[in-house]
Amino acid sequence: AQTVTQSQPEMSVQEAETVTLSCTYDTSESDYYLFWYKQPPSRQMILVIRQEAYKQQNATENRFSVNFQKAAKSFSLKISDSQLGDAAMYFCAYRTYYGGATNKLIFGTGTLLAVQP
Amino acid sequence: GAVVSQHPSRVICKSGTSVKIECRSLDFQATTMFWYRQFPKQSLMLMATSNEGSKATYEQGVEKDKFLINHASLTLSTLTVTSAHPEDSSFYICSANSGNGNQPQHFGDGTRLSIL
Repeated sequence: AQTVTQSQPEMSVQEAETVTLSCTYDTSESDYYLFWYKQPPSRQMILVIRQEAYKQQNATENRFSVNFQKAAKSFSLKISDSQLGDAAMYFCAYRTYYGGATNKLIFGTGTLLAVQP
Repeated sequence: GAVVSQHPSRVICKSGTSVKIECRSLDFQATTMFWYRQFPKQSLMLMATSNEGSKATYEQGVEKDKFLINHASLTLSTLTVTSAHPEDSSFYICSANSGNGNQPQHFGDGTRLSIL
């Protein structure tokens, strides 16, 4: 079975600085998806970024980028130019590639990010 | 983009009451929806996978008779917490996959359930 591990329960960053959140996973599959979701105090789950395992290029969405190391089964999230609105719980998630719409997400335990003004 | 609407956002009721939570996909059809439970400062715990026109698939340890799931149409799944007790108080979130499963899951805004 697949597992997702986030080893940093809490992180803190100064506004305008850069922070990296760690995520590792375990799987025997070669094709899969990886996601980072953000959950602010409103509790809404917001997709931050997505990576397909078959793509070697790291995904980027504006200030958010990932460092995907398939061999090491590592999927870290880098937030550049941190803003106060980035403060939230961040969840790393895994989903298998095959099986279609029934595929469930496997979540890590989350990292609570605080942004200091 | 794909939108999932969840209702109600907040419910407070007495112990012993049954509570129904609705999850709707507003602009896409969802053959599969997912129901999660989340305790404060913890991750999302998958409770069950809701399949349109068939029985839900429950995760280990989740009581089927306690958490009734109905997915009668391609845009609506409901979760009914039967005979709710204070220990059922939690945050419940639904999600759905749009397309053929190669798209990210879209989440509802969640329901905060408080049982007195």
